[in-house]
Amino acid sequence: QVQVVQSGAEVRRPGASVRVPCKASGYTFTGHYMHWVRQAPGQGLEWMGWINPKTGGTKYEQKFQGRVTMTRDTSISTAYMELSSLTSDDTAVYYCAREAGDRSGDDAFDLWGQGTMVTVSP
Amino acid sequence: QAVLTQPSSLSASPGASASLTCTLRSDINVHTYRIYWYQQKPGSPPQYLLRYKSDSDKQQGSGVPSRFSGSKDASANAGILLISGLQSEDEADYYCVIWHNNVYVFGTGTKVTVL
Repeated sequence: QVQVVQSGAEVRRPGASVRVPCKASGYTFTGHYMHWVRQAPGQGLEWMGWINPKTGGTKYEQKFQGRVTMTRDTSISTAYMELSSLTSDDTAVYYCAREAGDRSGDDAFDLWGQGTMVTVSP
Repeated sequence: QAVLTQPSSLSASPGASASLTCTLRSDINVHTYRIYWYQQKPGSPPQYLLRYKSDSDKQQGSGVPSRFSGSKDASANAGILLISGLQSEDEADYYCVIWHNNVYVFGTGTKVTVL
């Protein structure tokens, strides 16, 4: 079954970091870029960046530069998104989403994880 | 001004048609872009519906009914998602997306209510 599976909820204190995994199965993990999109409670969707699982190359939305790191472990077909210096504004559901084509840019996100709720609270 | 602006809500009756707009900021031309549309129901991740750039460059998402279709209104500098024959299951949030300056940009989202 083609899917990406994310972990359950995470709770962090302000100033801490969180690493969110996204495990792919049923397809060639290195054949598709993986993106991260977040959604604050009651708000819209916000693109954070992508990782090329084949090369490890990344691109981040400028807003998150310096705070976000996207990595992958090809041996277990898992992508990770780590966000540091957390504030309450980072409380959101974090989704991983597969890009349909084999390179990044101007293609659909055709496969989404179920999301990981990250709560930042004192 | 946001890159992509969508009306916050839209209501329509079952069986009616609903036209959702996605207006691009005035300094960027809708003609240039593929417009992607996603549907999100409460508590679920978004799902890809379709993309539309032109009649020769369009794509329906896998398993997406043909009553969902895309178009553009050049005069309004907007992408359009048309939902024909509205059903109660279409009640959801809808987001448009473009690839702009090598990043993906999401629209503000429209909540569709089927009365």
